[in-house]
Amino acid sequence: KAGVTQTPRYLIKTRGQQVTLSCSPISGHRSVSWYQQTPGQGLQFLFEYFSETQRNKGNFPGRFSGRQFSNSRSEMNVSTLELGDSALYLCASSLGTGASQPQHFGDGTRLSIL
Amino acid sequence: QQQVKQSPQSLIVQKGGISIINCAYENTAFDYFPWYQQFPGKGPALLIAIRPDVSEKKEGRFTISFNKSAKQFSLHIMDSQPGDSATYFCAASKGGGSYIPTFGRGTSLIVHP
Repeated sequence: KAGVTQTPRYLIKTRGQQVTLSCSPISGHRSVSWYQQTPGQGLQFLFEYFSETQRNKGNFPGRFSGRQFSNSRSEMNVSTLELGDSALYLCASSLGTGASQPQHFGDGTRLSIL
Repeated sequence: QQQVKQSPQSLIVQKGGISIINCAYENTAFDYFPWYQQFPGKGPALLIAIRPDVSEKKEGRFTISFNKSAKQFSLHIMDSQPGDSATYFCAASKGGGSYIPTFGRGTSLIVHP
């Protein structure tokens, strides 16, 4: 069974640009969550999607948005990029929503802002 | 405000030794406490998790100890191996249908052969 796939693995952008990251969950998984990982702030929850609906949202500005498609694939968009957005962005999928559902992480997209 | 405090930041142990990582939380509404293991260049992987209705959970060489009154929980890795060298994160979340985890800052574990 294929794991969670995130594309691209690496991305370099400049300030002010926007970026879209993609996540393909494990087959059959309907919940997708996004996280930001930085050396300074650690792992932080961005948002969770289940059945194409955003279920939960972390404490991030509106520049960070996402969506989920009918096949459970998800995209995350960051507009007006700032230097502080440089981070590893992780996607995790699970069968359902809720803490009892183990999350399976992808290997992330490394975003660098110049 | 850091809701989950993890210590130590780094840990070096000898092969065969016991690795102990501690976490303390503030929000008494938290009721799910997982531990993740992350290798360089990889995403975190769920190791073991516990709910506050039990004081200890063991899976192989990994044990979580939970102290509800002290609002602390810890990960013990018995017979530590060089392959255990990784970064470990604790997390905490509230129950119900939502899962919004708050993570500790991580512990870099190095196990010397």
